[in-house]
Amino acid sequence: KAGVTQTPRYLIKTRGQQVTLSCSPISGHRSVSWYQQTPGQGLQFLFEYFSETQRNKGNFPGRFSGRQFSNSRSEMNVSTLELGDSALYLCASSLDLTPTGELFFGEGSRLTVL
Amino acid sequence: AQSVTQLDSQVPVFEEAPVELRCNYSSSVSVYLFWYVQYPNQGLQLLLKYLSGSTLVESINGFEAEFNKSQTSFHLRKPSVHISDTAEYFCAVTYSIGSNFGNEKLTFGTGTRLTIIP
Repeated sequence: KAGVTQTPRYLIKTRGQQVTLSCSPISGHRSVSWYQQTPGQGLQFLFEYFSETQRNKGNFPGRFSGRQFSNSRSEMNVSTLELGDSALYLCASSLDLTPTGELFFGEGSRLTVL
Repeated sequence: AQSVTQLDSQVPVFEEAPVELRCNYSSSVSVYLFWYVQYPNQGLQLLLKYLSGSTLVESINGFEAEFNKSQTSFHLRKPSVHISDTAEYFCAVTYSIGSNFGNEKLTFGTGTRLTIIP
């Protein structure tokens, strides 16, 4: 069974640009969560989608947005990039929204903003 | 809202020595607790979790964690570490089902980098 796939793995952007990251969850998983990982901050929750609906949202500005498609694949978008947006963006999928379920993480998309 | 504190950002340990990675959480309601591990250049993987029942939970690779409600802690231990245990370890918490906070997100600590010294 294929794991969580994130693309692209690495990307470099400049301030003011926008970026779209993609996540394909494990087949059959309906919940997708996104996290931002930076040194010293750990993992900061961005948002969670389930059945194409955003179910939870973290404390990030409106420049950060996401969506989920009918096949459970998800994308997140960051507009007007800032230097502080440089981070590893992790996507995780799970069977459903139950808090007891294990999150399966992808290897992440490492974004560098110059 | 719940929060997780991992006081040690880095822990160096000699190979075959014991290790304890500390985790304290803050929540006034019943919680579920998790430890995830991130090996270099990889995503996170679930190491072990406490949902209910026995307060001592174990992983398949020799780690164990004990849920201590009175001290709001969930420390991770291993009696003898190996080079392959080099990784970053994250403690995480979420509200339990029935706590009227259903669907609450998983909150992670800032991580502890475990370095094994040969």
